[in-house]
Amino acid sequence: QSALTQPPSASGSPGQSVTISCTGTSSDVGAYNYVSWYQQYSGKAPNLIIYEVTKRPSGVPDRFSGSKSGNTASLTVSGLQAEDEGDFYCTSYAGSNNWVFGGGTKLTVL
Amino acid sequence: QVQLVESGGGLVKPGGSLRLSCAASGFTFSDYYMSWIRQAPGKGLEWVSYLTRSATYTSYADSVKGRFTIFRDNAKNSLFLQMNSLRAEDTAVYYCARVPLSDWFFDLWGRGTLVTVSS
Repeated sequence: QSALTQPPSASGSPGQSVTISCTGTSSDVGAYNYVSWYQQYSGKAPNLIIYEVTKRPSGVPDRFSGSKSGNTASLTVSGLQAEDEGDFYCTSYAGSNNWVFGGGTKLTVL
Repeated sequence: QVQLVESGGGLVKPGGSLRLSCAASGFTFSDYYMSWIRQAPGKGLEWVSYLTRSATYTSYADSVKGRFTIFRDNAKNSLFLQMNSLRAEDTAVYYCARVPLSDWFFDLWGRGTLVTVSS
């Protein structure tokens, strides 16, 4: 399976909103509502922030939101805070008990 | 405390073997599917393998198929990854991750264990 496509970097000032895209195909992102997003701080394990395209686990701020249109999913971070800096990864279920990840996006808070 | 703790990483020569372990605690291990995910140094995440609660069904990424074997011991709350015929490109931090029943995301991750394949 080919990796999902994410922009390598994104940035915004505190208080602004930033959106990270995640483009797949009709066999993964477009086929299933099982896109999830993970935040990873340097040297740490990833942490789930969005699952099933739009749902947030308990404890994740509502500043994080997800959406999907066709073969592209998106993560929006509203009201940017310094603590939001890190790497963000999308993943999609791709059928037959397989998953595909995006290449990751480094978010910088200016 | 709900957690996953990996172990077994280290330095191994190309062509060698290694077995990773993942100890689960704080939840009913047998209620969950499990997966291994890896991250090469400075690179992104790559899904490696998955198995169901009773290990009836397993799946693998094409990059490791035929070389890696995932299995579990529910009595010992442990997940394993047997890695054979290791290659330099298998060098990565290996994470075990929990998959909720009948769902398709990773809701709990361990801290990872580093595998380095080098002569």
